[in-house]
Amino acid sequence: AQKVTQAQTEISVVEKEDVTLDCVYETRDTTYYLFWYKQPPSGELVFLIRRNSFDEQNEISGRYSWNFQKSTSSFNFTITASQVVDSAVYFCALSEYLKAAGNKLTFGGGTRVLVKP
Amino acid sequence: EAQVTQNPRYLITVTGKKLTVTCSQNMNHEYMSWYRQDPGLGLRQIYYSMNVEVTDKGDVPEGYKVSRKEKRNFPLILESPSPNQTSLYFCASRGSGGTYEQYFGPGTRLTVT
Repeated sequence: AQKVTQAQTEISVVEKEDVTLDCVYETRDTTYYLFWYKQPPSGELVFLIRRNSFDEQNEISGRYSWNFQKSTSSFNFTITASQVVDSAVYFCALSEYLKAAGNKLTFGGGTRVLVKP
Repeated sequence: EAQVTQNPRYLITVTGKKLTVTCSQNMNHEYMSWYRQDPGLGLRQIYYSMNVEVTDKGDVPEGYKVSRKEKRNFPLILESPSPNQTSLYFCASRGSGGTYEQYFGPGTRLTVT
């Protein structure tokens, strides 16, 4: 069975500090997708990034970057120079290729990020 | 505008009173799902549908029903709600393309007293 663990339940930082969110996953599939979603206080889920298991290249997109390491089953996410608007709950999620056909995302428990001015 | 809509957004009800949460998408997506979100547990899949008249159980289907009579609609039915179904519910959809990105509705906050 697939599982996603976000060990950090809450992180508090001061504006302009960097924030790294940890995500560890378990899956038996060799083909899968990993996602990060943001849930601001308003409650909606906002898609941030997606990675497939074939591509371990780490990238930067604006203030966001991610570190995908298949060897350690980790998919960490970093916000550089945090801003108050980054305050939200962040979810890591996994979709196995076969299960993806069934539209299933397995979510971690979420990490609440609080950015103080 | 491409979107997934849910109604109602907020609902307070009593134990045992049947209710339906509607979900509609305007993207002609084949796949639709319902999730519930509970503190510390993230989101868990309740039911999903791969197309019209094709539905299946997710991880936490007990106490829920769904139907998919039209491609755009995927209502969630609670025949006899109980307090442990108090939660935040999300509907999601995605197309049959390979990106597996799901589009989520705005959420429905349900309280069962």
